[in-house]
Amino acid sequence: KQEVTQIPAALSVPEGENLVLNCSFTDSAIYNLQWFRQDPGKGLTSLLLIQSSQREQTSGRLNASLDKSSGRSTLYIAASQPGDSATYLCAVASGGYNKLIFGAGTRLAVHP
Amino acid sequence: GAVVSQHPSRVICKSGTSVKIECRSLDFQATTMFWYRQFPKQSLMLMATSNEGSKATYEQGVEKDKFLINHASLTLSTLTVTSAHPEDSSFYICSARRAFTSGGDYEQYFGPGTRLTVT
Repeated sequence: KQEVTQIPAALSVPEGENLVLNCSFTDSAIYNLQWFRQDPGKGLTSLLLIQSSQREQTSGRLNASLDKSSGRSTLYIAASQPGDSATYLCAVASGGYNKLIFGAGTRLAVHP
Repeated sequence: GAVVSQHPSRVICKSGTSVKIECRSLDFQATTMFWYRQFPKQSLMLMATSNEGSKATYEQGVEKDKFLINHASLTLSTLTVTSAHPEDSSFYICSARRAFTSGGDYEQYFGPGTRLTVT
């Protein structure tokens, strides 16, 4: 059974810092991995999707890497801003129907 | 493109009544739709997977007679919470899957969620 773990559970940093959020999964047989952002009481915003054949994806200040063999992904946020404050969720697509299994998330607070 | 809507965004109902939540893919056809539930400060838990024209596949522990899913077309899936109770109060999120044009991998697009409160 696929399990996804995210570390740390919460993070509070001053504005401008570079951050690394970690995600690990138990079954390396995945189709893809996605990073999402969720603001309080809101739905999900897809940030980056890494196909199973890819090693990393970049979008603006965000960079996500994927190491399937070790079951790990990292989300790197450069030059953090208060607007980055949110919960970041990692999810892997595996099994029948490529269903997404989510981690518990990392709650990020960036203070001015 | 790839917009998914949910209706209603928020609903309050009395215990014992049924509530229907709609999930629509607005600009693409969804081969598969998923329904998730999220309790406060917890992650999303997959409830069921539905394919157009066939019965939904429910995750272990999810009561299929309580959470009725209908996927009547390639752009619409509905979740009906029957005989709702306060413990069913949660944030329900749907997603729709569209095949990539190349590579064979799939991406899911998420709706904005529906906040259900059962009093």
